[in-house]
Amino acid sequence: EPEVTQTPSHQVTQMGQEVILRCVPISNHLYFYWYRQILGQKVEFLVSFYNNEISEKSEIFDDQFSVERPDGSNFTLKIRSTKLEDSAMYFCASSEIRGTHDEQFFGPGTRLTVL
Amino acid sequence: GDSVTQMEGPVTLSEEAFLTINCTYTATGYPSLFWYVQYPGEGLQLLLKATKADDKGSNKGFEATYRKETTSFHLEKGSVQVSDSAVYFCALRQSNDYKLSFGAGTTVTVRA
Repeated sequence: EPEVTQTPSHQVTQMGQEVILRCVPISNHLYFYWYRQILGQKVEFLVSFYNNEISEKSEIFDDQFSVERPDGSNFTLKIRSTKLEDSAMYFCASSEIRGTHDEQFFGPGTRLTVL
Repeated sequence: GDSVTQMEGPVTLSEEAFLTINCTYTATGYPSLFWYVQYPGEGLQLLLKATKADDKGSNKGFEATYRKETTSFHLEKGSVQVSDSAVYFCALRQSNDYKLSFGAGTTVTVRA
């Protein structure tokens, strides 16, 4: 069964460093998403991406964040200069369509630890 | 804005016990409602959904009914198994929106 994959499973970085989290969505999907979950808190929406551009973003997704689909398979989230409060589990998701009947398929997540 | 509140865990049960996880929401209009499940080491998987009031979603013995009058979408299973041990997330999405809005998740542990 096709699935969303994410690498790495755990990333440790120093404050101020740049990190890139990688995702491979399901191959025929057109909509891509990033969510995050800070430990003990809710899963929060960060951004959605369609047709090579951001379609929606939350207030969390400030100038430190960017997303890219550099080739036909990968979907990346870059954090330019990490802060301690960026430590969280980051989930990538993809869906085939958008609307009442779509289903977002999630990857297993990347745990980001900022020291 | 839209929000989802679900009962805090953790919840520990014995096999064959009845499971209820409460979920209530605050939203305008008529959002779609979802339950996602996350098994250890895996991503969130859609468990069931309901797209309009009074709809019942069901899957793998789990059920939830979209109650507009009480703005609730409680998850139930009549007889849990050890394999149901997971984190369960309630979520909603507006029809004109991309994003899912999640609750905090409830960890369920089923003991043999």
